Amino acid sequence: EDQVTQSPEALRLQEGESSSLNCSYTVSGLRGLFWYRQDPGKGPEFLFTLYSAGEEKEKERLKATLTKKESFLHITAPKPEDSATYLCAVPHFGNEKLTFGTGTRLTIIP
Amino acid sequence: EAQVTQNPRYLITVTGKKLTVTCSQNMNHEYMSWYRQDPGLGLRQIYYSMNVEVTDKGDVPEGYKVSRKEKRNFPLILESPSPNQTSLYFCASSHTSGSYNEQFFGPGTRLTVL
Repeated sequence: EDQVTQSPEALRLQEGESSSLNCSYTVSGLRGLFWYRQDPGKGPEFLFTLYSAGEEKEKERLKATLTKKESFLHITAPKPEDSATYLCAVPHFGNEKLTFGTGTRLTIIP
Repeated sequence: EAQVTQNPRYLITVTGKKLTVTCSQNMNHEYMSWYRQDPGLGLRQIYYSMNVEVTDKGDVPEGYKVSRKEKRNFPLILESPSPNQTSLYFCASSHTSGSYNEQFFGPGTRLTVL
């Protein structure tokens, strides 16, 4: 069964303190991996899609990387406005379901 | 403005009273989906639709129905709501017919079943 696991569940960082969030997955055939950002009370907002191992994508202070078993979301010199829950998701192989991880709640302290 | 809209945004109802949550997108997207979000369980897919008249079950379809008669609309129907369906619901759409592309989410519907 396809599974997506995110860690840590919550992370508190000082402003400017870089760190990484992890998304590990087990799927029959990888068709892509998504990262989303979700602010409290709002719908998730798309950040990145990664399609193959070794791929990297960047947006402002965020960089997403992908290996054959996991993805990392690296946050460099974060600011308080980066505080949010970060979700990863993987489409199933053989059907069109999408499975999300439970997310990492990131808090950046000024 | 390109968007996914949901109505109502908040709903309190009682057990057994049929309800419908509407979802509409103005982007001519083919793929639409419903999710529920619960603390500690994350986003779980209820149903999805790859195009008009094509729907399929997600991971938690029990107690829900959907229909896709028009491309822009994908209502979620709870025939006999129960308290365990109290949750935050999101509708999403994607421009391809599969789940392998980015999805655009609506603002959410917070449902309480008493």
